[in-house]
This record gives sequence, C-alpha cells and structure tokens, in this order.
Amino acid sequence: DTAVSQTPKYLVTQMGNDKSIKCEQNLGHDTMYWYKQDSKKFLKIMFSYNNKELIINETVPNRFSPKSPDKAHLNLHINSLELGDSAVYFCASSPTGLGGAQYFGPGTRLLVL
Amino acid sequence: AQSVTQPDIHITVSEGASLELRCNYSYGATPYLFWYVQSPGQGLQLLLKYFSGDTLVQGIKGFEAEFKRSQSSFNLRKPSVHWSDAAEYFCAVGDKNTNAGKSTFGDGTTLTVKP
Repeated sequence: DTAVSQTPKYLVTQMGNDKSIKCEQNLGHDTMYWYKQDSKKFLKIMFSYNNKELIINETVPNRFSPKSPDKAHLNLHINSLELGDSAVYFCASSPTGLGGAQYFGPGTRLLVL
Repeated sequence: AQSVTQPDIHITVSEGASLELRCNYSYGATPYLFWYVQSPGQGLQLLLKYFSGDTLVQGIKGFEAEFKRSQSSFNLRKPSVHWSDAAEYFCAVGDKNTNAGKSTFGDGTTLTVKP
C-alpha cells in the first residue's frame, strides 16, 4: 500500500507549457506539503495545506498554484513553465499540525526543455 | 527564525566503520528534530525524531541520534555502516508554533560507503 503517491513520476515538457502534478496520501493526515529539490539536492518548501486550507505559501512565483480538493489530495499546477522550474518536486504529508514528522512521496522529476 | 546547519557536505566511511553526521540547529525553544534519509532516485524517509524526553533516540536501520541542548546539536550515529547506507541525509527542525507543521531542512550530507 503506497502511503504518499505522486503522478506522474517523470515529466518532460517544453517551455511555456502548463502542467499538473497530483499527490494523494492514504495515511489520514491533516497536513500536506509541496517541496522543490534542485540539482544540488537542496530542499525548499513551497506550500503547506492543513485540512484543505493554505497555511504556508513561501516565496514562489504565482505561476505555481496548489489545489486541495480534499485533505487526502494536494495537486500542483504550473503555468508557463520555465527552464528554472526543472527540479524534483516532492509531496509530503504529516500526521500532526505541530512540526510533525513528514512522510514523502517518491517525487516527480520535471525537466523543462 | 529556525535554521539547520549540516557542516559536512560529503562524508566517506568504510563499510563496517562507525558513522557520525553532524547537525546544528537554531530555534527559540526546545525544537522538534528529525533525521531523514534519501536513497538515490527516492523520496525522503524518516529515520528518527525527537520531540521531548530521553535525549537519545533510536530510529530505523540501526541509527540513533542524541539531542544536546547545550550544543544545539542533534547528531546522527550508527556503530557499523553498511553499503546500503550510502545516501543523502537531511536533518530538519520542526516549528511548534504554527499549525502548519513546517520543517526547515538542512542542506544535506552525502554519505559514501567504501567497500
């Protein structure tokens, strides 16, 4: 049973396109996150949702828009993709709202050409 | 603001040798602390966590970490490293004061294991 799943696993696309990444967790957690990991493996939080409500919105271009239809899903839509968006995007979920341990998905490797 | 420093970018150890990965944090009170491991091409996996109580915490895969408040450190240790431990290791500090569960991650330490 996959705890946190992401689709697709790989995404290769042209600059200027719009793409979405989906995330689902079956752990019953209240909080979900999106992270970006660059080529140097630095991990940066982008967004956090708690019970479908946006809690954290770091300094991310507004081309990135998260959507949480329910507390088990957190999707990430990216408009007008740029070369610098190439990275690995991780979804994660957490069982508590207070600095709880996080459970990560396998990542989506995005390459913008 | 909370922050995490992992002073060692890259560490190489021989298989069977002991391991210590360093982590220093900055936080206003007693923090939540975590270590995660990321194997090549994989997502991050939680190794262990410290919330309160006993300062020596045991994790999965034979890892342990010790919280030292006086040194603002949370170093990860393993007595005997296996080749499969080669991976990227991240230390993180969690924020107790929000409902968002925000964690701040260090920049990671790459562990190479020599045969």
